[in-house]
Amino acid sequence: EAGVTQFPSHSVIEKGQTVTLRCDPISGHDNLYWYRRVMGKEIKFLLHFVKESKQDESGMPNNRFLAERTGGTYSTLKVQPAELEDSGVYFCASSQEGRGDIQYFGAGTRLSVL
Amino acid sequence: QKEVEQNSGPLSVPEGAIASLNCTYSDRGSQSFFWYRQYSGKSPELIMFIYSNGDKEDGRFTAQLNKASQYVSLLIRDSQPSDSATYLCAVRGSTLGRLYFGRGTQLTVWP
Repeated sequence: EAGVTQFPSHSVIEKGQTVTLRCDPISGHDNLYWYRRVMGKEIKFLLHFVKESKQDESGMPNNRFLAERTGGTYSTLKVQPAELEDSGVYFCASSQEGRGDIQYFGAGTRLSVL
Repeated sequence: QKEVEQNSGPLSVPEGAIASLNCTYSDRGSQSFFWYRQYSGKSPELIMFIYSNGDKEDGRFTAQLNKASQYVSLLIRDSQPSDSATYLCAVRGSTLGRLYFGRGTQLTVWP
């Protein structure tokens, strides 16, 4: 069984550009989470989807971040326009319905904004 | 502000020793507690979870939880060089599904 897959593994963009990160959860997992780790800090929650609905987006830093999960399968996280402080590693995790505590993580996308 | 604090590292132990990793959390309503292991550039891998006070053992790993003290720990017995990684403590809050993470402790097991 495939794990959580994230694309790209690394993205380097200039300030002001747009970047879209993608996450493919484990097949059949209804819960999908986005987290972010900026350098020197802990991994922090961004938002939580249950199927295609946003259950909790209280961790999103500002309106430059837009997450979608069309059809309740894969999810995208768009940053537009990117700022220097958006640099970090963006992790996606997924879990089964009713087992939101057991979250499986992808390897992350390392975003560098120059 | 819900916080998870881990003992500062890095931690270095010889092969065969016991590695002890510690974590405290601020939210008394926390329900679930997790230890993830992360090798450099790889995904965090869940290695232990614990819900009730006491000890939970799985192979060489033992998780310990004390809710009164808001403390959770991970013991690794007979440490191996392959255990060298960053260990992340994570706590699930009293509501919703999000996890709160500590900054991680880097463990090195030297032969």
